[in-house]
Amino acid sequence: EDQVTQSPEALRLQEGESSSLNCSYTVSGLRGLFWYRQDPGKGPEFLFTLYSAGEEKEKERLKATLTKKESFLHITAPKPEDSATYLCAVQAMIGGADGLTFGKGTHLIIQP
Amino acid sequence: EPEVTQTPSHQVTQMGQEVILRCVPISNHLYFYWYRQILGQKVEFLVSFYNNEISEKSEIFDDQFSVERPDGSNFTLKIRSTKLEDSAMYFCASSEARYRGMAKNIQYFGAGTRLSVL
Repeated sequence: EDQVTQSPEALRLQEGESSSLNCSYTVSGLRGLFWYRQDPGKGPEFLFTLYSAGEEKEKERLKATLTKKESFLHITAPKPEDSATYLCAVQAMIGGADGLTFGKGTHLIIQP
Repeated sequence: EPEVTQTPSHQVTQMGQEVILRCVPISNHLYFYWYRQILGQKVEFLVSFYNNEISEKSEIFDDQFSVERPDGSNFTLKIRSTKLEDSAMYFCASSEARYRGMAKNIQYFGAGTRLSVL
Protein backbone atom coordinates (compact mmCIF):
# COMPACT_ATOMS: atom_id res chain seq x y z
CA GLU A 1 0.00 0.00 0.00
CA ASP A 2 1.32 3.41 -0.96
CA GLN A 3 1.99 5.73 1.98
CA VAL A 4 2.94 9.37 2.38
CA THR A 5 4.03 10.90 5.69
CA GLN A 6 4.62 14.62 6.02
CA SER A 7 6.45 16.43 8.79
CA PRO A 8 6.13 18.58 10.67
CA GLU A 9 2.32 18.75 10.89
CA ALA A 10 2.53 22.46 11.59
CA LEU A 11 5.31 25.03 11.33
CA ARG A 12 5.36 28.64 12.41
CA LEU A 13 8.14 30.84 11.01
CA GLN A 14 9.04 34.47 11.10
CA GLU A 15 9.06 36.30 7.80
CA GLY A 16 12.44 35.70 6.16
CA GLU A 17 13.20 32.59 8.23
CA SER A 18 14.03 29.74 5.83
CA SER A 19 13.05 26.12 6.52
CA SER A 20 12.24 22.77 4.93
CA LEU A 21 9.18 20.54 4.86
CA ASN A 22 9.61 16.78 4.63
CA CYS A 23 7.64 14.17 2.71
CA SER A 24 8.54 10.51 3.22
CA TYR A 25 6.94 8.02 0.89
CA THR A 26 6.64 4.35 0.07
CA VAL A 27 5.23 3.44 -3.31
CA SER A 28 5.31 0.46 -5.63
CA GLY A 29 7.28 2.23 -8.34
CA LEU A 30 7.09 6.02 -8.51
CA ARG A 31 5.35 7.54 -11.50
CA GLY A 32 5.51 10.99 -9.97
CA LEU A 33 5.70 12.94 -6.72
CA PHE A 34 3.64 16.10 -6.52
CA TRP A 35 3.61 19.15 -4.28
CA TYR A 36 0.45 21.17 -3.94
CA ARG A 37 -0.49 24.24 -1.94
CA GLN A 38 -3.92 24.38 -0.31
CA ASP A 39 -5.48 27.52 1.11
CA PRO A 40 -8.38 27.22 3.59
CA GLY A 41 -11.61 26.14 1.87
CA LYS A 42 -9.91 25.83 -1.52
CA GLY A 43 -8.70 23.06 -3.77
CA PRO A 44 -5.07 21.93 -4.03
CA GLU A 45 -3.01 24.20 -6.30
CA PHE A 46 -0.24 22.49 -8.23
CA LEU A 47 3.31 23.55 -7.43
CA PHE A 48 5.82 20.94 -8.61
CA THR A 49 6.15 17.45 -9.97
CA LEU A 50 9.29 15.33 -9.58
CA TYR A 51 9.92 12.05 -11.31
CA SER A 52 13.42 10.79 -10.55
CA ALA A 53 15.77 10.75 -7.56
CA GLY A 54 18.13 13.71 -7.73
CA GLU A 55 15.66 15.90 -9.54
CA GLU A 56 15.08 19.47 -8.32
CA LYS A 57 12.49 22.08 -9.28
CA GLU A 58 12.40 25.72 -8.25
CA LYS A 59 9.80 28.46 -8.31
CA GLU A 60 10.23 31.82 -6.61
CA ARG A 61 10.96 31.10 -2.91
CA LEU A 62 10.22 27.38 -3.18
CA LYS A 63 12.50 24.53 -4.17
CA ALA A 64 11.53 20.86 -4.27
CA THR A 65 13.99 17.97 -4.19
CA LEU A 66 13.58 14.21 -4.47
CA THR A 67 15.42 11.12 -3.22
CA LYS A 68 14.35 7.49 -3.42
CA LYS A 69 12.59 7.72 -0.07
CA GLU A 70 11.67 11.34 0.52
CA SER A 71 11.13 14.77 -0.87
CA PHE A 72 11.83 18.15 0.64
CA LEU A 73 10.14 21.45 0.00
CA HIS A 74 12.59 24.18 0.89
CA ILE A 75 11.21 27.64 1.47
CA THR A 76 13.70 30.50 1.37
CA ALA A 77 12.99 33.89 2.99
CA PRO A 78 9.24 33.23 3.20
CA LYS A 79 6.61 35.97 3.19
CA PRO A 80 3.23 35.98 4.95
CA GLU A 81 1.52 35.14 1.65
CA ASP A 82 3.34 31.79 1.68
CA SER A 83 1.14 30.76 4.61
CA ALA A 84 -0.89 27.71 3.54
CA THR A 85 -1.04 23.95 3.90
CA TYR A 86 1.50 22.20 1.68
CA LEU A 87 0.48 18.78 0.44
CA CYS A 88 2.69 16.01 -0.90
CA ALA A 89 1.24 13.24 -3.07
CA VAL A 90 2.57 10.24 -4.98
CA GLN A 91 1.34 8.40 -8.03
CA ALA A 92 2.33 4.78 -8.50
CA MET A 93 3.74 3.28 -11.66
CA ILE A 94 1.38 0.32 -11.58
CA GLY A 95 -0.80 0.15 -14.66
CA GLY A 96 -4.21 1.66 -13.99
CA ALA A 97 -3.09 3.36 -10.77
CA ASP A 98 -4.11 6.89 -11.57
CA GLY A 99 -5.13 8.13 -8.15
CA LEU A 100 -2.83 10.24 -6.05
CA THR A 101 -2.03 9.21 -2.49
CA PHE A 102 -1.76 12.31 -0.34
CA GLY A 103 -0.09 13.01 2.97
CA LYS A 104 -1.85 14.95 5.71
CA GLY A 105 0.04 18.11 4.84
CA THR A 106 2.17 20.66 6.66
CA HIS A 107 0.31 23.72 7.88
CA LEU A 108 2.75 26.61 7.43
CA ILE A 109 2.26 29.99 9.09
CA ILE A 110 4.58 32.89 8.27
CA GLN A 111 4.39 35.70 10.78
CA PRO A 112 5.27 39.26 9.70
CA GLU B 1 -5.40 30.20 -17.58
CA PRO B 2 -7.62 27.10 -17.99
CA GLU B 3 -9.14 25.81 -14.78
CA VAL B 4 -11.39 23.10 -13.42
CA THR B 5 -14.75 24.51 -12.34
CA GLN B 6 -17.10 22.89 -9.84
CA THR B 7 -20.71 23.60 -8.98
CA PRO B 8 -22.26 24.17 -6.56
CA SER B 9 -19.70 25.51 -4.13
CA HIS B 10 -21.86 24.35 -1.22
CA GLN B 11 -24.57 21.71 -1.21
CA VAL B 12 -26.77 20.99 1.78
CA THR B 13 -28.89 17.84 1.72
CA GLN B 14 -30.90 15.60 4.00
CA MET B 15 -29.66 12.14 4.85
CA GLY B 16 -30.94 9.60 2.33
CA GLN B 17 -31.28 12.09 -0.50
CA GLU B 18 -29.46 11.85 -3.81
CA VAL B 19 -26.96 14.53 -4.76
CA ILE B 20 -25.13 15.28 -7.98
CA LEU B 21 -21.90 17.23 -7.92
CA ARG B 22 -20.81 18.80 -11.18
CA CYS B 23 -17.45 19.55 -12.70
CA VAL B 24 -16.18 21.03 -15.93
CA PRO B 25 -12.63 19.72 -16.50
CA ILE B 26 -9.98 21.59 -18.47
CA SER B 27 -11.02 21.38 -22.11
CA ASN B 28 -8.14 19.37 -23.64
CA HIS B 29 -7.84 16.98 -20.71
CA LEU B 30 -8.81 13.35 -21.11
CA TYR B 31 -8.56 11.96 -17.56
CA PHE B 32 -10.93 12.97 -14.82
CA TYR B 33 -10.89 12.30 -11.09
CA TRP B 34 -12.90 12.77 -7.92
CA TYR B 35 -11.36 13.13 -4.49
CA ARG B 36 -12.84 13.94 -1.12
CA GLN B 37 -11.48 15.61 1.99
CA ILE B 38 -13.26 15.18 5.29
CA LEU B 39 -12.72 18.21 7.53
CA GLY B 40 -9.27 18.09 9.10
CA GLN B 41 -8.25 14.95 7.22
CA LYS B 42 -6.20 14.21 4.15
CA VAL B 43 -7.35 14.30 0.55
CA GLU B 44 -8.54 10.83 -0.51
CA PHE B 45 -8.86 9.42 -4.01
CA LEU B 46 -12.30 8.17 -5.04
CA VAL B 47 -12.29 7.39 -8.76
CA SER B 48 -10.63 8.04 -12.09
CA PHE B 49 -12.42 8.10 -15.44
CA TYR B 50 -11.18 7.85 -19.01
CA ASN B 51 -12.86 7.22 -22.33
CA ASN B 52 -16.28 6.98 -20.68
CA GLU B 53 -15.19 4.27 -18.28
CA ILE B 54 -13.96 4.06 -14.73
CA SER B 55 -10.24 3.29 -14.88
CA GLU B 56 -9.59 3.01 -11.16
CA LYS B 57 -11.62 3.30 -7.97
CA SER B 58 -10.81 3.20 -4.29
CA GLU B 59 -12.50 1.24 -1.52
CA ILE B 60 -14.45 4.37 -0.62
CA PHE B 61 -16.17 4.37 -4.01
CA ASP B 62 -18.89 1.83 -3.28
CA ASP B 63 -22.25 1.18 -4.95
CA GLN B 64 -23.65 4.43 -3.55
CA PHE B 65 -21.36 6.40 -5.85
CA SER B 66 -21.43 6.72 -9.61
CA VAL B 67 -19.75 8.96 -12.17
CA GLU B 68 -20.81 10.06 -15.59
CA ARG B 69 -19.74 12.28 -18.45
CA PRO B 70 -23.18 13.25 -19.73
CA ASP B 71 -21.88 15.51 -22.50
CA GLY B 72 -18.61 16.80 -23.93
CA SER B 73 -17.86 19.16 -21.08
CA ASN B 74 -19.39 18.01 -17.79
CA PHE B 75 -18.25 15.29 -15.40
CA THR B 76 -20.53 14.39 -12.51
CA LEU B 77 -20.38 12.50 -9.24
CA LYS B 78 -23.66 11.10 -7.94
CA ILE B 79 -24.24 9.88 -4.41
CA ARG B 80 -27.48 7.89 -4.39
CA SER B 81 -28.45 7.92 -0.73
CA THR B 82 -26.35 10.29 1.30
CA LYS B 83 -25.13 9.45 4.79
CA LEU B 84 -23.89 11.75 7.52
CA GLU B 85 -20.36 10.50 6.92
CA ASP B 86 -20.49 11.68 3.30
CA SER B 87 -20.14 15.24 4.58
CA ALA B 88 -16.86 16.47 3.10
CA MET B 89 -15.25 18.64 0.46
CA TYR B 90 -15.38 16.93 -2.91
CA PHE B 91 -12.72 17.88 -5.45
CA CYS B 92 -12.76 17.23 -9.14
CA ALA B 93 -9.45 17.07 -10.98
CA SER B 94 -8.32 16.52 -14.54
CA SER B 95 -5.11 15.68 -16.37
CA GLU B 96 -4.08 15.73 -19.99
CA ALA B 97 -2.88 12.14 -19.93
CA ARG B 98 -1.73 9.47 -17.49
CA TYR B 99 1.84 9.00 -18.70
CA ARG B 100 4.47 11.20 -17.15
CA GLY B 101 6.20 12.35 -20.31
CA MET B 102 6.15 16.13 -20.66
CA ALA B 103 4.39 16.35 -17.31
CA LYS B 104 1.06 15.40 -18.87
CA ASN B 105 0.01 13.46 -15.76
CA ILE B 106 -0.25 16.54 -13.56
CA GLN B 107 -3.70 16.66 -11.98
CA TYR B 108 -5.29 20.10 -11.69
CA PHE B 109 -7.95 20.52 -9.06
CA GLY B 110 -11.13 22.55 -8.84
CA ALA B 111 -12.10 24.69 -5.86
CA GLY B 112 -14.37 21.95 -4.53
CA THR B 113 -17.95 21.42 -3.46
CA ARG B 114 -18.65 21.38 0.25
CA LEU B 115 -21.30 18.73 0.88
CA SER B 116 -23.18 18.97 4.16
CA VAL B 117 -25.48 16.05 5.00
CA LEU B 118 -27.97 16.81 7.77
